[in-house]
Amino acid sequence: NAGVTQTPKFRILKIGQSMTLQCTQDMNHNYMYWYRQDPGMGLKLIYYSVGAGITDKGEVPNGYNVSRSTTEDFPLRLELAAPSQTSVYFCASTPGGVLWTDTQYFGPGTRLTVL
Amino acid sequence: GQQVMQIPQYQHVQEGEDFTTYCNSSTTLSNIQWYKQRPGGHPVFLIQLVKSGEVKKQKRLTFQFGEAKKNSSLHITATQTTDVGTYFCAGLIIQGAQKLVFGQGTRLTINP
Repeated sequence: NAGVTQTPKFRILKIGQSMTLQCTQDMNHNYMYWYRQDPGMGLKLIYYSVGAGITDKGEVPNGYNVSRSTTEDFPLRLELAAPSQTSVYFCASTPGGVLWTDTQYFGPGTRLTVL
Repeated sequence: GQQVMQIPQYQHVQEGEDFTTYCNSSTTLSNIQWYKQRPGGHPVFLIQLVKSGEVKKQKRLTFQFGEAKKNSSLHITATQTTDVGTYFCAGLIIQGAQKLVFGQGTRLTINP
């Protein structure tokens, strides 16, 4: 199993541009998450999903959108990129069961810079 | 707001010395998880503690969950260069909605 994969690894955007960060997991996990990690800080939850067709906001959802059309994929969309969205973005997944009580498997991250 | 505070922010030790990082919450935690992130890498799950006063060991790592379930610690005995990285705690807060809140991490560097 590849686990959780993310593309791209790096991206530089100009202010106002849009992009989609891709996340795929091949572990048949029901739950998926998007976090951002600012320099020297912990992770903050952007959005999460408990299954295909179901998404919910996390702590910092403004400026982002998500969709979950399949179990495997959980893309994160940035509309009108702003410098405040410069960060490292991590996607994660957990098998299912009780939310927040399982091991979270993280992808390698996408380093995004908005100039 | 609800926060999980982690101290210290940085710690530099000589190889072979011990290391401890502390995690404190103003709110009772349902559980606490610990993660390790190597430089340039992604967080990797280490352990989860659920019970009040729980202590778990993984080789040279000892994890504790406080009696009041408001604090936790990670202690590494006789550090090795492979221990370098940032250690994060993440506490589950249940007040209506559930929220997993990450501490800001303790970055450990080691002098060989």
